[in-house]
Amino acid sequence: KNQVEQSPQSLIILEGKNCTLQCNYTVSPFSNLRWYKQDTGRGPVSLTIMTFSENTKSNGRYTATLDADTKQSSLHITASQLSDSASYICVVSAQGAQKLVFGQGTRLTINP
Amino acid sequence: ETGVTQTPRHLVMGMTNKKSLKCEQHLGHNAMYWYKQSAKKPLELMFVYNFKEQTENNSVPSRFSPECPNSSHLFLHLHTLQPEDSALYLCASRATSGRFKGGELFFGEGSRLTVL
Repeated sequence: KNQVEQSPQSLIILEGKNCTLQCNYTVSPFSNLRWYKQDTGRGPVSLTIMTFSENTKSNGRYTATLDADTKQSSLHITASQLSDSASYICVVSAQGAQKLVFGQGTRLTINP
Repeated sequence: ETGVTQTPRHLVMGMTNKKSLKCEQHLGHNAMYWYKQSAKKPLELMFVYNFKEQTENNSVPSRFSPECPNSSHLFLHLHTLQPEDSALYLCASRATSGRFKGGELFFGEGSRLTVL
C-alpha cells in the first residue's frame, strides 16, 4: 500500500533555532518527492522537489535530503523565522508521476 | 498568487442548501483537482479532470458533483451536505503531459466550508 508518514506531527521551537522534519514513504514505483509549505488558511506551496538521483537540494534556509534506499526524506530549516510557522507536507509521486500520495503534514510553530 | 483562484474563500450553508465552489487557473495546465482537507488528516483526493474529462472519482458521495466546462475552470456543486463535510476544499492544477509530465501541483487558497 502506498503510504507517506511524517514526523513529528507537531513541533514548537524558538526563533533562530534549527529543526528537521522527517518523511518516510512506501510509495512504489517512486517518481519524485516534493515538500510543500502551507500557511494557515492558505493553499500549499511547493518548496522543493527531489528526484531519485538527488541526495540533497537547498532553497534558501530550507534543505531537503532524500535517501532512496531507505525511502526517507528530511526537510531541514536553518535559523528559523516566525514566518516559518506553517504546516509542511511531504508528497510522493508514483506511477510515472501520475499518482500523488500525501503525508499528514507536520505543524511547525516558531515562538519568539 | 499561484495562478489558481478559488471562490468563495468562505462559505456557510445549511444541510438543505445548494451551493457551488469555483476554481479558475491561468497557468495553461491540462489537469485540475479537487482535494478535501480536514484537521489533522492528509489531503484527500476527490476528483481529477484531465483535458476536461474526469479521470478519477475517489469514491466521493454524490452530494458532491464536479463540473469541468473547460481546462481552465472547475466547479464543485454542493447539495444536501452533512456537518462532517465541513472542511477546507482545495483546487489544484498541474501539467501532466509531454515534457511537463509530473509537474508541480499549484493550489488555490481554498474554500473554507462550514455546514450547519
